[in-house]
Amino acid sequence: KAGVTQTPRYLIKTRGQQVTLSCSPISGHRSVSWYQQTPGQGLQFLFEYFSETQRNKGNFPGRFSGRQFSNSRSEMNVSTLELGDSALYLCASSWNAKETQYFGPGTRLLVL
Amino acid sequence: QKEVEQNSGPLSVPEGAIASLNCTYSDRGSQSFFWYRQYSGKSPELIMFIYSNGDKEDGRFTAQLNKASQYVSLLIRDSQPSDSATYLCAVRYSGGSNYKLTFGKGTLLTVNP
Repeated sequence: KAGVTQTPRYLIKTRGQQVTLSCSPISGHRSVSWYQQTPGQGLQFLFEYFSETQRNKGNFPGRFSGRQFSNSRSEMNVSTLELGDSALYLCASSWNAKETQYFGPGTRLLVL
Repeated sequence: QKEVEQNSGPLSVPEGAIASLNCTYSDRGSQSFFWYRQYSGKSPELIMFIYSNGDKEDGRFTAQLNKASQYVSLLIRDSQPSDSATYLCAVRYSGGSNYKLTFGKGTLLTVNP
């Protein structure tokens, strides 16, 4: 069974731009969670989607948003990028939110 | 604020020794506990999970859970240089429909040949 895939793997943007990241979960998994990982803050929860509905949201500003499609693929968007948004963005999928989460390879975003 | 605390390390052990990684959590309502391993530049990969008090063994890895003391630990027996990585403890608090994972900041383990 194919694992979680994320695209793109690497991204360089400048301040003020916006970015969209994509995540395809493991086949059959309906829950997708997004995390931001930085050296200083570690892994921080952004939001979780299940069956196209956002069920949980972390403590991030409204510039961070996401959505999930009917095939469970998910996207997250960051608008008006700031230098502090440079991070590894990880997507994790599970059959439902109560089950074990499996991570994708991540998208490394650098904001200049 | 639900917190998960780990010693950041680095924890250095010789090859063949037992590495002991610890994690404490703040919410007594926590129900499930996970250990992930993350190699430098890679994403976290699941090692094991534990729900009930006591020990759970999987190969060279043993997870130990003590809900009364609010800690969970991971023992790695016969440590190998390939075990050198950051180990992340994650705790799931479940209230209503909130099943999000809260991660500790990880412990860096170095196994010296």
